[in-house]
Amino acid sequence: DSGVTQTPKHLITATGQRVTLRCSPRSGDLSVYWYQQSLDQGLQFLIQYYNGEERAKGNILERFSAQQFPDLHSELNLSSLELGDSALYFCASSGPEKETQYFGPGTRLLVL
Amino acid sequence: DQQVKQNSPSLSVQEGRISILNCDYTNSMFDYFLWYKKYPAEGPTFLISISSIKDKNEDGRFTVFLNKSAKHLSLHIVPSQPGDSAVYFCAASANYGQNFVFGPGTRLSVLP
Repeated sequence: DSGVTQTPKHLITATGQRVTLRCSPRSGDLSVYWYQQSLDQGLQFLIQYYNGEERAKGNILERFSAQQFPDLHSELNLSSLELGDSALYFCASSGPEKETQYFGPGTRLLVL
Repeated sequence: DQQVKQNSPSLSVQEGRISILNCDYTNSMFDYFLWYKKYPAEGPTFLISISSIKDKNEDGRFTVFLNKSAKHLSLHIVPSQPGDSAVYFCAASANYGQNFVFGPGTRLSVLP
C-alpha cells in the first residue's frame, strides 16, 4: 500500500459527459502528479501540483483540468469525453526530496 | 518523439537466471532515472533509482547501470524469481524529480 488513494476505482460513462477523479496523496506529501495510461502505452504525464499551485504541465488536453485543494487532495476533471479518453488514470505523490513518486492504484475510465 | 524508449515490449527468463531490462533516452538533460514495477490492477511501485553522477546503484537483487555517453540504462535482476513477473517502466527526469518521462514498459515473465 503506497498510501496514495484514488476514487473511484472504476468509472463507466458516455461520450460528451464530464467526470471527476479524486486523489489523496500520502500524508505529508505536497506534490501530486496525474498520469494517463492508455492501452499498452506507457504513462503519460498530465500535470503536477505542489502545495495547491500548478507546477508543471505535460500532455494534458484542454478538455482536462485539475486542482489541488488546501487539504492537498487533488481532483482531475475530464469533460466532453471521447472514446479515446478511455484509460487508466494514475495519481502519484512525492515528498520534499522528490526522489520518487508513490502511485495510487489508479482509476479505470471507460467511455462508451 | 519518444524521449524514453524501452525497445523490448516483453522478455521471458528462467527462474534463477539474470533478467536484463534495457532503456534508452534521447534527452541529454536527463539527470535522474528510476525503475518502477507494475502488477496488473495496481499502480506502479518504485524499485530503484540512479542519478547521473553515478554509473551503478545496487539494492539487493536489483542493480541499475547507467551509461551516460550511450544514453542507456539497464536494470539487472539476479536471481530472477516468479514474483518478479510484472511490467517494468523506466522513467527519467531533467529536474531531479520533476516532470518524469516514462518509457512504454517491458513485460517480464519469469518462468518456474
